[in-house]
Parts: sequence; structure tokens; C-alpha cells
Amino acid sequence: AQKVTQAQTEISVVEKEDVTLDCVYETRDTTYYLFWYKQPPSGELVFLIRRNSFDEQNEISGRYSWNFQKSTSSFNFTITASQVVDSAVYFCALSTFIPTQGGSEKLVFGKGTKLTVNP
Amino acid sequence: DAGVIQSPRHEVTEMGQEVTLRCKPISGHDYLFWYRQTMMRGLELLIYFNNNVPIDDSGMPEDRFSAKMPNASFSTLKIQPSEPRDSAVYFCASRPNKREKLFFGSGTQLSVL
Repeated sequence: AQKVTQAQTEISVVEKEDVTLDCVYETRDTTYYLFWYKQPPSGELVFLIRRNSFDEQNEISGRYSWNFQKSTSSFNFTITASQVVDSAVYFCALSTFIPTQGGSEKLVFGKGTKLTVNP
Repeated sequence: DAGVIQSPRHEVTEMGQEVTLRCKPISGHDYLFWYRQTMMRGLELLIYFNNNVPIDDSGMPEDRFSAKMPNASFSTLKIQPSEPRDSAVYFCASRPNKREKLFFGSGTQLSVL
């Protein structure tokens, strides 16, 4: 079964601190995709990144960086020099292909980590 | 380009009433998904369509829930009869092809009293 675990329910930091959001996933598939989405207080879900299982290269985008490690089934997200605008709920998600269900694909989400950045 | 459009943004109804949520996916997107978000269960996939055909509805909680996609630009999620435990935010999302990112609508906040 596919599963995504975000063990940190809530994190609170002070502005300019670095913060890492953890994501651990489970799947038996060798081909899969991992995602991070941001849900600000306004409620919409904003795509941040997609990673396929064959690309373990870490990625940096401005203050955001992602560390993908297949050996530990983790896909952690770090915000450097956090800002108040980073306050949101962050979701990690896993997409796998289930050929036995006629090619069904599911994007399974973790429960999310609520990040609060205080001024 | 307009994103995924959902209506209504908020719906308050009484237990037993029929509720219909609507979604217009991004033009050209072949896949449409309905998700439900609650505090207890997080984001759950209810059903998804490919080229207007339901592919996986294993997440639909019970027979009170039904979803249709009569054409490529419109989908509905219907709850009949509604119950208080159906209160949640319902998201519609679409994407152009497999494994691409999902584009989410703004969601419908449903409250069943």
C-alpha cells in the first residue's frame, strides 16, 4: 500500500530561522513521483515541486530546497531564512501507478505539517 | 488562463438535503479529480476521471456520493442525502496527462447542519 507520513503536525519558528519539514513514504513500486504542495490560509493548494523516483538529485529553488533519499524513503523540504509569508500547511504526496486497476493512479497525501513563522 | 473553477465556494445546508458541487477543469486537461479534506483524515481522493470516464471511485465513501462528468469541461459531485459528517472542504483538480502536477481549484467549504 502507498502511504505518506508527515510526522510533524505543527512547527513554529521565528522569522529568519531555517526549518525542515519531514516526509517519509512507503511504496512497493519502483517508479513513482513525489510532490510537495503548499496550502496557505486562503485555502488553495499550490504546487511546489515534483520529483520522480529515478532522480535523487537534490533541488534548490530560492529559499526552498528538497532532499530526496531513496535509501530512507524520505523527501524532506527545507525553507531557509523563513518568512511570515511561508506560514501555511505543507503537504507531501506520492503518486504511483497501479496497473491492476486498469492503470489507476492515485496521488496520496500526507496529513500535512502546519508551519507558523512568527515575526 | 483560468484555473480550475469550483462552485459554490461555500455551501451550508441541512442534514438530508441534496448537495451538488461543481467543477470546471482547465481546458485541455484529460484528468479530473475530486478530493475531500477534513481535519481527521486529511486529503482523500474520492474519484477521478480520464477523458470523462470514471477510472477509480474506490474512495467514494458510500452510495450517497455520486460523481459525473458529462463532458470535458464540467463535473459534479453530488451528495444525497447529506449528513453532518460530510462537512469538509471538497477540492476539484485537473491535470493534462499522467504524472503531471495537479492544478487545484479553490475548494468548496461544505457545512451540513
